[in-house]
Amino acid sequence: EAGVAQSPRYKIIEKRQSVAFWCNPISGHATLYWYQQILGQGPKLLIQFQNNGVVDDSQLPKDRFSAERLKGVDSTLKIQPAKLEDSAVYLCASSLTVGNVLTFGAGSRLTVL
Amino acid sequence: SQELEQSPQSLIVQEGKNLTINCTSSKTLYGLYWYKQKYGEGLIFLMMLQKGGEEKSHEKITAKLDEKKQQSSLHITASQPSHAGIYLCGADSGSGNTPLVFGKGTRLSVIA
Repeated sequence: EAGVAQSPRYKIIEKRQSVAFWCNPISGHATLYWYQQILGQGPKLLIQFQNNGVVDDSQLPKDRFSAERLKGVDSTLKIQPAKLEDSAVYLCASSLTVGNVLTFGAGSRLTVL
Repeated sequence: SQELEQSPQSLIVQEGKNLTINCTSSKTLYGLYWYKQKYGEGLIFLMMLQKGGEEKSHEKITAKLDEKKQQSSLHITASQPSHAGIYLCGADSGSGNTPLVFGKGTRLSVIA
């Protein structure tokens, strides 16, 4: 079974630039999550999708972050404009449905200069 | 909101020694998940505990959820270099639709 795919693995940008991360979940997984993990911290949920609908985006900084999951499969997380404090690893995870074990991708490491 | 505190924050052990990592929740745990993360990689699922008093083992790693369901421990027996990494506990607050909240992690180093 293929795992959760994420790209790019690494991205370096300057502040005020924009960046987009892509995630392809495990086939058949209805629930998709984006987490932000700042160095030395545990992952923090940004947004949760159930199929192509948003279940929870209460911790997503909506003035600069946006995410979509078109057709209930792939998802894209965008940051525009980026700030220094956005430097983190962005982890995508998927599960068969809510309440099931999350499978994580390898993450996308963002450095904002 | 639920918070998870892990202890210790970091641990250095000699190969072959046993160790324990703790995870304490500010609220009752309905589902407690242990993950392992290596630097630069995603989280690898280890075990899930749901019932008070439940204990699960996989190879040399044993996880327990206490009876009152507010604390979990992860015990590694005869540690090996392959056990090195960051161990994270994650909790489900029980509403059935709530994603995992994570602790800050425990960084484990195993030296020969």
